[in-house]
Amino acid sequence: SQTIHQWPATLVQPVGSPLSLECTVEGTSNPNLYWYRQAAGRGLQLLFYSVGIGQISSEVPQNLSASRPQDRQFILSSKKLLLSDSGFYLCAWKNPPTYEQYFGPGTRLTVT
Amino acid sequence: QKEVEQDPGPLSVPEGAIVSLNCTYSNSAFQYFMWYRQYSRKGPELLMYTYSSGNKEDGRFTAQVDKSSKYISLFIRDSQPSDSATYLCAMILTGNQFYFGTGTSLTVIP
Repeated sequence: SQTIHQWPATLVQPVGSPLSLECTVEGTSNPNLYWYRQAAGRGLQLLFYSVGIGQISSEVPQNLSASRPQDRQFILSSKKLLLSDSGFYLCAWKNPPTYEQYFGPGTRLTVT
Repeated sequence: QKEVEQDPGPLSVPEGAIVSLNCTYSNSAFQYFMWYRQYSRKGPELLMYTYSSGNKEDGRFTAQVDKSSKYISLFIRDSQPSDSATYLCAMILTGNQFYFGTGTSLTVIP
């Protein structure tokens, strides 16, 4: 069966510090991978998605970036965090051509 | 107008009640519909998915899609305290364009 991991689970970082969140998927090959941010009362905001190694599509211009160095690894990064980057970050995957999307446990980021 | 509208609640029901959760959408091109359950501080869990108008049943859960009215529903029968969570609707325009509702918070009171 497929599983998705995210780490760390929680993170408190000062403004201006760098960020690296990691997501890995097990039990599947060539998944589509997604990064979302969930803010209270605002639903899920798609940040990036990837259909293959090195292929990243950005949905929202901001100070975040994403990379996919391996087939089942997706990384979310920032060089300098802003207060507005605080939120709950979710990684998700799906296997094309199916539509069902599955989420990881999430990383709660607080920027102070 | 938002692509997907969902009443945020909160919704509070007694144990054993039938719960109805709803979403409306504006784009008739949406082709696939999903419901997620999200417990506090956890990732969303896929509950049900369907692509056609009509009903789909899975245990105590029934997903209903009315494409002519652009309206989807999730019914929970015999609700349990463990059903207390936020429920998110989601729909897809193309392979990677997912649209989510903001979620409805449900509390089932023992």
